[in-house]
Amino acid sequence: KAGVTQTPRYLIKTRGQQVTLSCSPISGHRSVSWYQQTPGQGLQFLFEYFSETQRNKGNFPGRFSGRQFSNSRSEMNVSTLELGDSALYLCASSLALLDSHTEAFFGQGTRLTVV
Amino acid sequence: KNQVEQSPQSLIILEGKNCTLQCNYTVSPFSNLRWYKQDTGRGPVSLTIMTFSENTKSNGRYTATLDADTKQSSLHITASQLSDSASYICVVSPFGNEKLTFGTGTRLTIIP
Repeated sequence: KAGVTQTPRYLIKTRGQQVTLSCSPISGHRSVSWYQQTPGQGLQFLFEYFSETQRNKGNFPGRFSGRQFSNSRSEMNVSTLELGDSALYLCASSLALLDSHTEAFFGQGTRLTVV
Repeated sequence: KNQVEQSPQSLIILEGKNCTLQCNYTVSPFSNLRWYKQDTGRGPVSLTIMTFSENTKSNGRYTATLDADTKQSSLHITASQLSDSASYICVVSPFGNEKLTFGTGTRLTIIP
């Protein structure tokens, strides 16, 4: 059974640019959630999508957005990149919403560096 | 404000020894509490998920406990192995439309 696939694995962007990250969940999983991980702040929740609808959102500015397609694949977009956006971006997939007791499976992450 | 605090920040133990990691939270009401293991450069892997009504749950050499009254959880690792070297993250999921709250993790190093 294939795991959660995130692309690309590594990305270098310049300040002011925008970036799109992709996440393919485990087959049959309908929930995809996104996280930012930095050495200083640890893991922080960005948002969760279920059946193409955003169900939950963390405390991030509007420059961070996402969407989910009918096949449950999800994309995350960050516009007007700042140096502080450099981080490991992780996505996780699960059968149901995260406030249930369903297990969440994480991808390997996309390492974004903003220069 | 919902918070999850983990201790210690880092821990070094000898291979074969046991250890216990702590997680204190203020999230209320909460739906479930999870422990994840994250190897360097990889995504987190789920170890246990506990609801507020569960006191203990095991996964091999990993045993998590939960005291919902004192809002404390612990992760006990028995007979540690070199492969246990990783960061261990405690995550609390509240009910309803509230964001997940993560602890900053405990960095565990097992030395031979």
